[in-house]
Amino acid sequence: EAQVTQNPRYLITVTGKKLTVTCSQNMNHEYMSWYRQDPGLGLRQIYYSMNVEVTDKGDVPEGYKVSRKEKRNFPLILESPSPNQTSLYFCASSLWGAGEQYFGPGTRLTVT
Amino acid sequence: KQEVTQIPAALSVPEGENLVLNCSFTDSAIYNLQWFRQDPGKGLTSLLLIQSSQREQTSGRLNASLDKSSGRSTLYIAASQPGDSATYLCAVLSEKLVFGKGTKLTVNP
Repeated sequence: EAQVTQNPRYLITVTGKKLTVTCSQNMNHEYMSWYRQDPGLGLRQIYYSMNVEVTDKGDVPEGYKVSRKEKRNFPLILESPSPNQTSLYFCASSLWGAGEQYFGPGTRLTVT
Repeated sequence: KQEVTQIPAALSVPEGENLVLNCSFTDSAIYNLQWFRQDPGKGLTSLLLIQSSQREQTSGRLNASLDKSSGRSTLYIAASQPGDSATYLCAVLSEKLVFGKGTKLTVNP
């Protein structure tokens, strides 16, 4: 089944404790991206990756890192999480940047 | 800078009604436009993708149209059902992906 998977689905952590949210797709997509969704602000892009060699900042990259070592995986790293990073996070992939977007199920992160 | 607006922000209708959700965008240089459904606290389910060369796409009771020149897309839902209650998002796919903030639809039995 073609899909985008994210892990964990739910995470509660404390300020400053490094964490990684994994994202994997099995559709051989070149383009992958991360979003956060907050009430009243909608979906905002954190980082995107055009392919394994090209990764760039989205609209709200501060406090986040990403890594694209292989085509199928695009982990999101929070080196020192803070409470303002409490949000619902989505990973997405597509064949190319403006192609049909496929979203993962989301990760609800709470930072206390 | 591309801006995507969805009006109204919320809509409540009785079951069985046909309805139209609107999505407008400021830059007509787009590749695709995609409509999604999102249930509370859940992920995004893709409903329809309209390519820039297309005028409309249909899937079951859903019909999406695209008018690039006027910067508008509409999502038509026929014979609405309580199960259609959700937030509907449009995403403009161009050099940058831009999402609207959605229309929250409630279909009352």
